[in-house]
Amino acid sequence: NAGVTQTPKFRILKIGQSMTLQCTQDMNHNYMYWYRQDPGMGLKLIYYSVGAGITDKGEVPNGYNVSRSTTEDFPLRLELAAPSQTSVYFCASSYRAGGNSPLHFGNGTRLTVT
Amino acid sequence: DQQVKQNSPSLSVQEGRISILNCDYTNSMFDYFLWYKKYPAEGPTFLISISSIKDKNEDGRFTVFLNKSAKHLSLHIVPSQPGDSAVYFCAARIIQGAQKLVFGQGTRLTINP
Repeated sequence: NAGVTQTPKFRILKIGQSMTLQCTQDMNHNYMYWYRQDPGMGLKLIYYSVGAGITDKGEVPNGYNVSRSTTEDFPLRLELAAPSQTSVYFCASSYRAGGNSPLHFGNGTRLTVT
Repeated sequence: DQQVKQNSPSLSVQEGRISILNCDYTNSMFDYFLWYKKYPAEGPTFLISISSIKDKNEDGRFTVFLNKSAKHLSLHIVPSQPGDSAVYFCAARIIQGAQKLVFGQGTRLTINP
């Protein structure tokens, strides 16, 4: 019963490098999300997707890109890493958009950009 | 512009007593409120939610109260147990669109034996 799986768990990047954070879910959820959590702050929405082929910006999308080619996968791409992108990244999915359909989160990727 | 605020970064409670976590919000367009619990090195897990048309929702030891006129909600845990020690996030949903939640900063709850 895997749920939402994120890889890698940890990563250190140099400024200007690029990387892809992987996220996959096995619950057949249509809705998927990427959040970041900075120290002492709540989670902020980066991008979300309501189904394969459909993505949209959240609150803090600058510096990131996403794609959704399958229902299961929702990778997050950082093209030119900056120190401001040091954060913990959480991927989540939900069955539907309703408020009583809670988000299921992965265990996060801790990214440091130096 | 912090639309959802948890003003207490931490809270310490004796085992068996009541824990009360508070959350304030500013946007009257929120239609659903949720509480998530987070252990270290794990993702948040859903705990309990409440619709904006209700003022109370109960699930076992957990009860959420919503005061719309004060734009305030609270989570009560009775009785508190050591396993409840975690960070608790309050979240609110904007009426339109997907599950675009706005999160508070979190409150670290410590239950002392």
